[in-house]
Order: sequence, then structure tokens, then C-alpha cells
Amino acid sequence: VQLEQSGAEVKKPGASVKVSCKASGYTFTTYGVSWVRQAPGQGLEWMGWINPYNGNTKYAQRVQGRVTLTTDTSTSTAYMELRSLRSDDTAVYYCARDEGYTSSAFDYWGQGTLVTVSS
Amino acid sequence: QSVLTQPPSASGTPGQRVTISCSGGTSTIGSNTVNWYQQLPGTAPRLLIYGYIQRPPGVPDRFSGSKSGTSASLAISGLQSEDEADYYCATWDDSLNGHVFGTGTKVTVL
Repeated sequence: VQLEQSGAEVKKPGASVKVSCKASGYTFTTYGVSWVRQAPGQGLEWMGWINPYNGNTKYAQRVQGRVTLTTDTSTSTAYMELRSLRSDDTAVYYCARDEGYTSSAFDYWGQGTLVTVSS
Repeated sequence: QSVLTQPPSASGTPGQRVTISCSGGTSTIGSNTVNWYQQLPGTAPRLLIYGYIQRPPGVPDRFSGSKSGTSASLAISGLQSEDEADYYCATWDDSLNGHVFGTGTKVTVL
């Protein structure tokens, strides 16, 4: 199982960013994908989850309204788009495989994508 | 601000046992299972313990988990230098309707 994420991004405040996460080594539609971010020197923050089988999503209250999770099952790729970027969105963004039930564990992680928001 | 509280740091000498606590509430640990993650410097987190006590393949049995009421603990026995990392507990929050992580504990091997 591997989750390969897109490269680092630098964005201005107010812009949007879209990070990709290409899955391999398992059937993409049989597991969910969660997104987790980590600001510099800070802890982990769960952002949301998507079920690639039916497109169902769940978002954390803190980012709801600014984040959209999507998938492309033809390429086994998950996407995280964050809009209206602020300086405190500067973080490493991780995708992780998620069985999709409450308290499910994130058993495989991508390598992370650094998103820097700076004017 | 996390709803799961961990001590910011823990330390021990090689071979010692170190325990990390994770304190939650009735809507988190009190009603949902707990998972633990290890994050080595500059790397992505790695699943260490799931379902309170289960270890994924490849995780040494030096790592063990437990739960009591609204708190959980991770124990590292026979501490080794490669265990120096940040450790996070995680669970579901029925009130927030989402996953939550602990504040994280940095383990130092003296």
C-alpha cells in the first residue's frame, strides 16, 4: 500500500490550493481517505474524510465551508482543496487510508505536502 | 485546542519503561476506541496501536496500550534510542462528530 502526494505549494492569502493523493497497492474504493494537517511545530489536526465508493464526505467543523474532498476512482486519486487560504493554514497536509467508521485507525499515510501561505 | 490531553514530554534511559497518558471525556475515550501514532522527526505519522491494544504487523511488542474509563495509556517497555519521537493518541468525538488527536507527547531517550 502506498499513498503518493503532490509536491509543495506556495500560495498567497485568499488563494486556493488543491493537493492530490494517489493510492496504490489496494482497491481504492474499499477504504476511505482522511486528511490530516500539521502546522509547523504543532500537533495533528483531522480535516475530513471521503468514501471513494460513493463520494460521501465528513468535514471537521473548523474547516467546513472552506475545504472540499473529492476522488477520481479511474486514477485512484483523492484530492483536498482548501479555499480562502490564511497564514494559519500553513502546514504539512497528509492523506491517510481510513476504514471509515468512528474511531477507525489511519493505517497508511502519504509522505505529506507542505503548503505555505505567504504574501 | 485538543479535547485529548497528553503530557508534553516524557523521558527515560535505554531499557526503562515509559508510560504516556491520554485524558479525554465521555464523548471521546469514554465511548470510542483509541489509536496511537508515532511520528519520528521529519516523517509522516505511523500507526502504532489500534483498538486500544492491537499492534499492526511490524510494530514491536514493546509497545502496548490500555484504557481505563475516559483515559488511555501507551506504554513503551525496554526503551530504545529509536523510540525517540512524538506520540499522539486519537479517537472519535461524538460531540464534534469527527476524529480528534491528542496534544502529543515528545519522548526523549536519555
